[in-house]
Amino acid sequence: DTGVSQDPRHKITKRGQNVTFRCDPISEHNRLYWYRQTLGQGPEFLTYFQNEAQLEKSRLLSDRFSAERPKGSFSTLEIQRTEQGDSAMYLCASSLVQGTDTQYFGPGTRLTVL
Amino acid sequence: AQSVTQPDIHITVSEGASLELRCNYSYGATPYLFWYVQSPGQGLQLLLKYFSGDTLVQGIKGFEAEFKRSQSSFNLRKPSVHWSDAAEYFCAVVGDYKLSFGAGTTVTVRA
Repeated sequence: DTGVSQDPRHKITKRGQNVTFRCDPISEHNRLYWYRQTLGQGPEFLTYFQNEAQLEKSRLLSDRFSAERPKGSFSTLEIQRTEQGDSAMYLCASSLVQGTDTQYFGPGTRLTVL
Repeated sequence: AQSVTQPDIHITVSEGASLELRCNYSYGATPYLFWYVQSPGQGLQLLLKYFSGDTLVQGIKGFEAEFKRSQSSFNLRKPSVHWSDAAEYFCAVVGDYKLSFGAGTTVTVRA
């Protein structure tokens, strides 16, 4: 049983560039979540999917952010026209609706915007 | 809306000593509570969770936590700390499917 994987682990980009991150959940999990964590803070919820449907988006998710989960498996998070304030760790988690719905996290993608 | 407070930003403990990390939550119904640990530059690893039943829950790495409804608390404990326990610890409560985290407590272990 492989865990949640994220790619890339680190991304350095210049302000104004677009970036895309990928998350592969645990294979049988039907819920997938994105969180953002800035230095010294706990993770904050961004959005989540059940299968391919995006069911909720946080107000933190500005118009420059878009997330997809086209086939209900992996998900991508794209940030357009990056700003220095987007520098953070982007964490993905997955869970199974049945039972306790416990969320398991990936290693995260560290984004640095110069 | 649910929220979590971790009153201690940083705790230093000697190796072999006991550790207790505090967590207070705010949630209208019966809470589902979690403790996660994060090593530098890494993702979150689940230590333990509480959903119902026995208020003392056991987790991995020798950790346990006690749910006290009257105090709205879910404190994490370990009887004897190892150097490898140095990390950041997050308490979280789930509401409307999403987790709300505290700001975390950084644990430093001194030899």
